[in-house]
Amino acid sequence: DTEVTQTPKHLVMGMTNKKSLKCEQHMGHRAMYWYKQKAKKPPELMFVYSYEKLSINESVPSRFSPECPNSSLLNLHLHALQPEDSALYLCASSLTPGTQGQPQHFGDGTRLSIL
Amino acid sequence: GESVGLHLPTLSVQEGDNSIINCAYSNSASDYFIWYKQESGKGPQFIIDIRSNMDKRQGQRVTVLLNKTVKHLSLQIAATQPGDSAVYFCAEKEAAGNKLTFGGGTRVLVKP
Repeated sequence: DTEVTQTPKHLVMGMTNKKSLKCEQHMGHRAMYWYKQKAKKPPELMFVYSYEKLSINESVPSRFSPECPNSSLLNLHLHALQPEDSALYLCASSLTPGTQGQPQHFGDGTRLSIL
Repeated sequence: GESVGLHLPTLSVQEGDNSIINCAYSNSASDYFIWYKQESGKGPQFIIDIRSNMDKRQGQRVTVLLNKTVKHLSLQIAATQPGDSAVYFCAEKEAAGNKLTFGGGTRVLVKP
């Protein structure tokens, strides 16, 4: 079992809905990440939080809004999504931001379907 | 054998044989490399990593080789088992920053 926990595992929402994805880790990691993964493709980075502050936004549309309430939690707020946003959303964490040689550990993702 | 088509490259291997998965990277500034295994319905699982000051690192049944001259990374799996069937991704990272860039992935199918 992964030490990065994501909820919900599956989410179906309409284009006008507002929902949130949640991620939690208790490994003391201070870097947390959101990735988007389409079928048969590698994960693509969306956001990076370092010490609870947003450090990287890979030009993600504003209908995705990340939040890091504390060092263990990471949220991704969703609003007015499009059908092409249907994908697996992965959360990851690593120990110390900016330190080399520390792998990212992934959760099992939230499978999101936009109707 | 290995086939490349419209979908993920696939490596079919007989149970008990050794597997070699290859990855080419293009960023000369990358100095940390990771191999991940992703099973259906799961997130990527860390297998092994290597820093650019090494050219080989061994784990349990796995070995990663790094050739910086030709920007090539490989993962060798010894005595491949049915549980090794998955998609394998290489990933690279520069010394500065937190951004991990993934390769396209290779599907490994283990035949009994």
